[in-house]
Amino acid sequence: GAVVSQHPSWVICKSGTSVKIECRSLDFQATTMFWYRQFPKQSLMLMATSNEGSKATYEQGVEKDKFLINHASLTLSTLTVTSAHPEDSSFYICSASPNPRAQPQHFGDGTRLSIL
Amino acid sequence: GENVEQHPSTLSVQEGDSAVIKCTYSDSASNYFPWYKQELGKRPQLIIDIRSNVGEKKDQRIAVTLNKTAKHFSLHITETQPEDSAVYFCAASNDYKLSFGAGTTVTVRA
Repeated sequence: GAVVSQHPSWVICKSGTSVKIECRSLDFQATTMFWYRQFPKQSLMLMATSNEGSKATYEQGVEKDKFLINHASLTLSTLTVTSAHPEDSSFYICSASPNPRAQPQHFGDGTRLSIL
Repeated sequence: GENVEQHPSTLSVQEGDSAVIKCTYSDSASNYFPWYKQELGKRPQLIIDIRSNVGEKKDQRIAVTLNKTAKHFSLHITETQPEDSAVYFCAASNDYKLSFGAGTTVTVRA
């Protein structure tokens, strides 16, 4: 149980385009989901907390207009990287827990984003 | 916010030997400490976790110890095998947000 699915797993696109990444909780409802970014050979850095039915909470230094988060249902959160540039290339991972604000978190498979 | 430091950054061990990774945290209110194993290009996998009301936890070849007074916790892997080679991350949480250490690349030599 507690499966988190992420789509797509890999995306390559041109600089300036917008990219949407989906995070779904398959067998539980998640009022809260988390989005992380991981650069090569680095740790996971929390970008934002996605809250169902309300605005996301962004970590310091993360541009909310650049990384749009929508959590419209109890099983789906989306992250849209707007006007992506090569420096946005990274591994984006989401996580969620069946119990609101509880541990452990269950991670999606991640999305490898490459901006040319 | 929480600051988690992890050492060493790389660790090479002979198959069958033990591996130890240490982490320290800054926020005394943190009460949950998971360890994740991540293989290249894949998701972090929870391998063991410990809560602040427990000092030690063991699961087969893996154990975690927690010293709340000193604010540090450690991962111990015994009888290492080649499939233990990966990057390991510690993390700490005092609510629902996780703060990760920088990671340790473990290489098990056959």
